[in-house]
Amino acid sequence: KAGVTQTPRYLIKTRGQQVTLSCSPISGHRSVSWYQQTPGQGLQFLFEYFSETQRNKGNFPGRFSGRQFSNSRSEMNVSTLELGDSALYLCASSSGGVGETQYFGPGTRLLVL
Amino acid sequence: AQKVTQAQTEISVVEKEDVTLDCVYETRDTTYYLFWYKQPPSGELVFLIRRNSFDEQNEISGRYSWNFQKSTSSFNFTITASQVVDSAVYFCALRGYSTLTFGKGTMLLVSP
Repeated sequence: KAGVTQTPRYLIKTRGQQVTLSCSPISGHRSVSWYQQTPGQGLQFLFEYFSETQRNKGNFPGRFSGRQFSNSRSEMNVSTLELGDSALYLCASSSGGVGETQYFGPGTRLLVL
Repeated sequence: AQKVTQAQTEISVVEKEDVTLDCVYETRDTTYYLFWYKQPPSGELVFLIRRNSFDEQNEISGRYSWNFQKSTSSFNFTITASQVVDSAVYFCALRGYSTLTFGKGTMLLVSP
């Protein structure tokens, strides 16, 4: 079974631009979660989608948004990029049950200049 | 709110030594799930183990073993006979009724 895939793997943007990251979950998984990882803050939860509905949301500004499509693929968007948005963005998928294991993709490394 | 504390920031050992990574958690949820993940330099988080709050049976899997103690809210992870390939950052994580919360991670460096 193929794992979680994320595109692109690396991205360089400048302040003020916007970016869209994509995540394809493991086949059959209906839940997708997004995390931001930085050296200072560690792994922080962004949002979780299940069957196209946002189930949980972390404490991030409205510039961060996401969505999930009917095939469970998900995208996250960051508008008006700031230098502090430079991070590794990780996507994880699970079957959807609350305690089910989340399997992570390789991440997208975003650098904002 | 839930919280995961990994007090050890970095551990250095020599190959073949045993090493234990500590994890202490806080939650008010009566049902919760605990996880360990490994993050090698490539960046991808690799799932290692999952335990639910009503299963305190400890387990050994190859060179890995886990010690879950509800009384002390701890979920420690031990690698026996460490190898250079075990070098990575290890994260303990907790999920109750809401979201998955990670500790800050413990960097394990195994030298030959």
